Amino acid sequence: QKEVEQNSGPLSVPEGAIASLNCTYSDRVSQSFFWYRQYSGKSPELIMSIYSNGDKEDGRFTAQLNKASQYVSLLIRDSQPSDSATYLCAVPSGNQGGKLIFGQGTELSVKP
Amino acid sequence: DAGVIQSPRHEVTEMGQEVTLRCKPISGHDYLFWYRQTMMRGLELLIYFNNNVPIDDSGMPEDRFSAKMPNASFSTLKIQPSEPRDSAVYFCASSPVGRWGSGNTIYFGEGSWLTVV
Repeated sequence: QKEVEQNSGPLSVPEGAIASLNCTYSDRVSQSFFWYRQYSGKSPELIMSIYSNGDKEDGRFTAQLNKASQYVSLLIRDSQPSDSATYLCAVPSGNQGGKLIFGQGTELSVKP
Repeated sequence: DAGVIQSPRHEVTEMGQEVTLRCKPISGHDYLFWYRQTMMRGLELLIYFNNNVPIDDSGMPEDRFSAKMPNASFSTLKIQPSEPRDSAVYFCASSPVGRWGSGNTIYFGEGSWLTVV
């Protein structure tokens, strides 16, 4: 089992819709979870972090964490064409940090 | 503030040649990471350093790969000899601390795009 798993997509949604991106992880002791966005030809950039069970909202983005199910998701409301990118889920490996393990990424396409 | 600086941005080399990728982390960051990204394998951690000391190199694919960090502001990733399957984007990243949380994360350079023909 991979440490961090995501559906590779592509996920296509119409402009204005909600995009839902999902991630599962295998390390039960993980405490921090990150979502990165990567535009084609660019480097990953952090868009959300979450540490506690439940929801965390930042503008149009909501991260949801369920540690019991080892599941973290990212919702993008009112999706815009500029949101079209690959979204990477990242989880530290081990409680002491150091290694940040990335999922394969989900490619999102928002159609005007 | 300057971010993580990588060079070269693009390199095309012939199989068997030595390739050296360079990285300058963000000043004050104690952790430096080398990642490789391909379509097939995604973003893989190759090696990371803490205070210039290699901590985990379990992701280095084989002996052809080596990494050094002679001081806090410079690191190299070397491939010798290079092979076509090494073609990928190599990212260097840095972080102020190794414990995740409280807003800590890693910051990526723009990547070095390597093509081995």
